[in-house]
Amino acid sequence: QSALTQPASVSGSPGQSITISCTGTSSDVGSYNLVSWYQQHPGKAPKLMIYEVSKRPSGVSNRFSGSKSGNTASLTISGLQAEDEADYYCCSYAGSSTCVFGGGTKLTVL
Amino acid sequence: QVQLQESGPGLVKPSQTLSLTCTVSGGSISSGGYYWSWIRQHPGKGLEWIGYIYYSGSTYYNPSLKSRVTISVDTSKNQFSLKLSSVTAADTAVYYCARDSVREPAHFDYWGQGTLVTVSS
Repeated sequence: QSALTQPASVSGSPGQSITISCTGTSSDVGSYNLVSWYQQHPGKAPKLMIYEVSKRPSGVSNRFSGSKSGNTASLTISGLQAEDEADYYCCSYAGSSTCVFGGGTKLTVL
Repeated sequence: QVQLQESGPGLVKPSQTLSLTCTVSGGSISSGGYYWSWIRQHPGKGLEWIGYIYYSGSTYYNPSLKSRVTISVDTSKNQFSLKLSSVTAADTAVYYCARDSVREPAHFDYWGQGTLVTVSS
């Protein structure tokens, strides 16, 4: 069970859109529409932003969207705002009642 | 509103057993439908799923930690617990408890604030 692969960092200017990728295998991301994304600010617990690839929990801005193609899931943030600067983690169901996280991506809003 | 709160020693000696408890409020573990989970984060690193338990006592563990991990539940106290044996400095991390969905796993919707556990003599 290897960690999902995310870019270490991405950046964008306010108002722009960015996309964070999350690459797994045919045993996890590729097999299940059970990918979630979490936002984590320094010193805080992660916060669920997207689940089941593209669903948003109540209260999460519609500027956050998710998608998946093959073994790669993606999180897109549109209309970047300063408060979006945080670490982002993907997570996938990996079968046999196990889960695997990505290594995390640091988003910098320039 | 469901709330989770971790508790336990912040310092554990090498080779000993790390023990943490998560107290759930605002919802009953016994109501079913959820896995009660432990996740950790090494300093400056990413998240690692440790395992989870269903209210019935069924457990599921990360294969890389399975030999050292025990998760248990006490429905009368609305708590679940983590034990990690034979700890080393590599187990130093912030430990989170969280709720996952049985119907839609890998969907951690409520988290505790996290507790830092340092392994050191």
